[in-house]
Amino acid sequence: DAGITQSPRHKVTETGTPVTLRCHQTENHRYMYWYRQDPGHGLRLIHYSYGVKDTDKGEVSDGYSVSRSKTEDFLLTLESATSSQTSVYFCATYSGTSREQFFGPGTRLTVL
Amino acid sequence: QQQVKQSPQSLIVQKGGISIINCAYENTAFDYFPWYQQFPGKGPALLIAIRPDVSEKKEGRFTISFNKSAKQFSLHIMDSQPGDSATYFCAASMGETSGSRLTFGEGTQLTVNP
Repeated sequence: DAGITQSPRHKVTETGTPVTLRCHQTENHRYMYWYRQDPGHGLRLIHYSYGVKDTDKGEVSDGYSVSRSKTEDFLLTLESATSSQTSVYFCATYSGTSREQFFGPGTRLTVL
Repeated sequence: QQQVKQSPQSLIVQKGGISIINCAYENTAFDYFPWYQQFPGKGPALLIAIRPDVSEKKEGRFTISFNKSAKQFSLHIMDSQPGDSATYFCAASMGETSGSRLTFGEGTQLTVNP
């Protein structure tokens, strides 16, 4: 357990509203990631960060933005939520030593 | 595009049997191949991982077999137990030059009947 928390754990919102998900880690890991999990697709990378203020896009980044102002926090924002963004979102961290990524408990987001 | 293909999508085995899940990858730059286990309502957790310079890695009842020339790797669960019932994901990574990003397979839902 790498001390990763995600908030909120569940959220229901309406199409067109902005949504921000938060990931907080206590292990001082350099790398942080946001994935979404959908049936039949496994986990797909949305965005990742390799340091404070250093971020890059993953394979499904359209409609999402991220920010990392502190090592411990990585925020994922849906600028205008759509029903296709209904999913379970996982945050992960990576220390750079064992190559293991540690995952948070997930946030279930429903966009009506 | 999916760079890691996983099969089967679901698998049902009897207690004590062998569970086998297969993955195939396309990008020869991948240099780390982990398997993650996920229980309902939880995040994935690393189960076992292998690098392409070895053909097999065993940890307890779990074994990864790796075939570099075929670009395939598989997870074998020996003496499967009901507690092994979970979703299993294979993945691949290219290291820190690419941000150590993981590319996942589609997942296999394993059910072990008592």
